[in-house]
Amino acid sequence: EVQLVESGGGVVQPGGSLRLSCAASGFKFDEYAMHWARQAPGKGLEWVSLISGDGGSTYYVDSVKGRFTISRDNSKNSLYLQMNSLRTEDTALYYCAKDLSSNGLTGWIDPWGQGTLVTVSS
Amino acid sequence: QSVLTQPPSASGTPGQRVTISCSGSSSNIGSNTANWYQQLPGTAPKLLIYSNNQRPSGVPDRFSGSKSGTSASLAISGLQSEDEADYYCAAWDDSLNGWVFGGGTKLTVL
Repeated sequence: EVQLVESGGGVVQPGGSLRLSCAASGFKFDEYAMHWARQAPGKGLEWVSLISGDGGSTYYVDSVKGRFTISRDNSKNSLYLQMNSLRTEDTALYYCAKDLSSNGLTGWIDPWGQGTLVTVSS
Repeated sequence: QSVLTQPPSASGTPGQRVTISCSGSSSNIGSNTANWYQQLPGTAPKLLIYSNNQRPSGVPDRFSGSKSGTSASLAISGLQSEDEADYYCAAWDDSLNGWVFGGGTKLTVL
């Protein structure tokens, strides 16, 4: 069974940094692209970033470009999101999710983890 | 303001058929496939429809998807109380070089 468990969320001041992690199990991690998506309290879903199975290709939503960095350690079956220069509008529940393909371009984004909450507030 | 436009709400009575629309543009739905996600209250999203009209195993055939031009639709027939959820469309956007979601539609079963 595929399992995705996010961690690393918390409360941080504007301008601060946070590193999210996603521990994956139940599948051959390096064969699949992975995504981060987020959901602000009471709001809709927003895709944040994508990394290919081999880590060679990454994509970001415009609002986080230059501030967030997605990475993965295939030897540890782990996905990461380094978030710098955090803003209040980054406050959200952050989900990691598995893609069906190695390049992340199929649209089959499933399953999703349960999320980790990031709160940016002074 | 989401790149893909969905109605904020929809409703129906048990047994009815409801449809949810998703309007995009030539850079997303117009040139790529549409996907749909269901988010039950308090849970993580789940893939419902991929490649416009394909259902992952385990998704009831009451759920169906279609695409025409730059728009996509999700239809739910034989509405059940457990279908009450938020529904999101998504597509790859060639101009933004990333995935885009609709703003979501809250489905209420009356």
